Amino acid sequence: KQEVTQIPAALSVPEGENLVLNCSFTDSAIYNLQWFRQDPGKGLTSLLLIQSSQREQTSGRLNASLDKSSGRSTLYIAASQPGDSATYLCAVPGANSKLTFGKGITLSVRP
Amino acid sequence: KAGVTQTPRYLIKTRGQQVTLSCSPISGHRSVSWYQQTPGQGLQFLFEYFSETQRNKGNFPGRFSGRQFSNSRSEMNVSTLELGDSALYLCASSLGDPGRGNTIYFGEGSWLTVV
Repeated sequence: KQEVTQIPAALSVPEGENLVLNCSFTDSAIYNLQWFRQDPGKGLTSLLLIQSSQREQTSGRLNASLDKSSGRSTLYIAASQPGDSATYLCAVPGANSKLTFGKGITLSVRP
Repeated sequence: KAGVTQTPRYLIKTRGQQVTLSCSPISGHRSVSWYQQTPGQGLQFLFEYFSETQRNKGNFPGRFSGRQFSNSRSEMNVSTLELGDSALYLCASSLGDPGRGNTIYFGEGSWLTVV
């Protein structure tokens, strides 16, 4: 059974700091890994999807990496801004089309 | 291009009642998935539909059901509501199988409160 862990559950950083959010998964037989952002009371916004054949994916100030062999992914946020404050979730798909999500990391960027 | 649309956004129901939630996927997307999100359990998979067929179902009681129409729109129904059904219900769509490399896009969700 796939399990996805995101630690810590919450993180507070000053504006401008570069930061790394971690995601670990137990079953490395995955097709891809997807990172999402969720603002309070809102749905999930897809940030990046990394295919199993890729090692990195970039979008603007965001960079996600994937290491299947170690069961880890990281989301790097450069020059963080208060607008980056949100909950960040990672998810991996299973054989039955189901995505298994981590519990998320709630990020607060202080002005 | 319109995103995933869910209605209603907020609703309050009484224990024992039933509720129907609606989801319109992104145009051209044939896969629709439903998830329940609660503070304690996080996001849990309910079911996934593709071309009007339920392909997969999560570990929820039979009170939770769904369907997909020929235009890919989907509905989920919860009968005999319990207090524990209070949650954010999220619909997601993708071009193909969400488990096979397709990006999945979520709607804003339907907030259900059972009193």
